[in-house]
Amino acid sequence: KNQVEQSPQSLIILEGKNCTLQCNYTVSPFSNLRWYKQDTGRGPVSLTIMTFSENTKSNGRYTATLDADTKQSSLHITASQLSDSASYICVVRSNTGNQFYFGTGTSLTVIP
Amino acid sequence: ETGVTQTPRHLVMGMTNKKSLKCEQHLGHNAMYWYKQSAKKPLELMFVYSLEERVENNSVPSRFSPECPNSSHLFLHLHTLQPEDSALYLCASSQAGTGRGTEAFFGQGTRLTVV
Repeated sequence: KNQVEQSPQSLIILEGKNCTLQCNYTVSPFSNLRWYKQDTGRGPVSLTIMTFSENTKSNGRYTATLDADTKQSSLHITASQLSDSASYICVVRSNTGNQFYFGTGTSLTVIP
Repeated sequence: ETGVTQTPRHLVMGMTNKKSLKCEQHLGHNAMYWYKQSAKKPLELMFVYSLEERVENNSVPSRFSPECPNSSHLFLHLHTLQPEDSALYLCASSQAGTGRGTEAFFGQGTRLTVV
């Protein structure tokens, strides 16, 4: 069964600190993996997209990693800001059809 | 802004009402999607339209009826909904297919409340 699991479910960190979010998946065949940031009540916005051959991808203070062998990905946020408070969703796309598989997301709260 | 626009942003409707959600994209994409996002649940794919033809329906109740008149517009017609249908409804678009360049762009969503 194709699944995407994220951890932790929620996280609270102090402003300026770093954090790492995890994503494990069983989707096969694999096409690519995306990390989205979703502010409350709004649509998700893409942070990174990674294909099978990519191990690391950075977007400003966001760095995503992908281990296609173990089917794991992480999103590292450095020097967190209050505006980073949001839900971060891992999405894996299958190589067959227009099918996206969503994780339940990690709710991040950055406090001053 | 992502280039995908949804209207209305908020909607309150009774269980006997009929309403429609609208989604519009001008990104040149040829695939559009409707998702439902309930509290503390992952996004649920409801409908997929690729090249204006509906190619997948995840057993969504018939009280939800999609319409895709062209590649830029997508509607979700609602009738006789239930309170448990209250959720955030998200529209997305992408280029059909897989690999790079097929990223999904999401609208801001319609917050639906069924009373």
